[in-house]
Amino acid sequence: DAKTTQPPSMDCAEGRAANLPCNHSTISGNEYVYWYRQIHSQGPQYIIHGLKNNETNEMASLIITEDRKSSTLILPHATLRDTAVYYCTLSQGAQKLVFGQGTRLTINP
Amino acid sequence: EAGVAQSPRYKIIEKRQSVAFWCNPISGHATLYWYQQILGQGPKLLIQFQNNGVVDDSQLPKDRFSAERLKGVDSTLKIQPAKLEDSAVYLCASSNQLVPTDTQYFGPGTRLTVL
Repeated sequence: DAKTTQPPSMDCAEGRAANLPCNHSTISGNEYVYWYRQIHSQGPQYIIHGLKNNETNEMASLIITEDRKSSTLILPHATLRDTAVYYCTLSQGAQKLVFGQGTRLTINP
Repeated sequence: EAGVAQSPRYKIIEKRQSVAFWCNPISGHATLYWYQQILGQGPKLLIQFQNNGVVDDSQLPKDRFSAERLKGVDSTLKIQPAKLEDSAVYLCASSNQLVPTDTQYFGPGTRLTVL
């Protein structure tokens, strides 16, 4: 079973920041937080991962709380192409990913 | 760099028939995964290979599903005989595993419909 909890759906206006929350209250010390997204009819696409520090790459930022029990994925300037299902998952390494149902993010024009 | 290739993209069969899916991972990736994704759910790992050896097949329904990765490159996943509940998208992924956190790269999937 997935060890993360995400809202089933969210909406965001195009050009605004999309903030996707994830709860992982039972995370263990050596587990990373991974985010993937899945655009319709495609395979999941890696976005970002982190252990305890905040991370940023060209796609998004990942904010992990100090107690590591929750995190937020931030898409700074959402576009229509960011409409997808976003999965938050935990893993001791990317080799063992357990996906929940994710958050269906809709970007509105 | 070419991505993970899968074929066919779509397959429709009747229950009790058999079906096979093919996956070609990214060149040089030692680890290969097969996932099953039922409509409305996240992907579920079926089997993981490290080169041509099985690392984890704990969620593979072995009475009807089989997978192989001969020569540690391409892989095939077979279902025999298929059931209605096998209707799903079958995703293949690969990773380099130079470090434990190396990401998985997914193919486009094969959508199976069992009638």
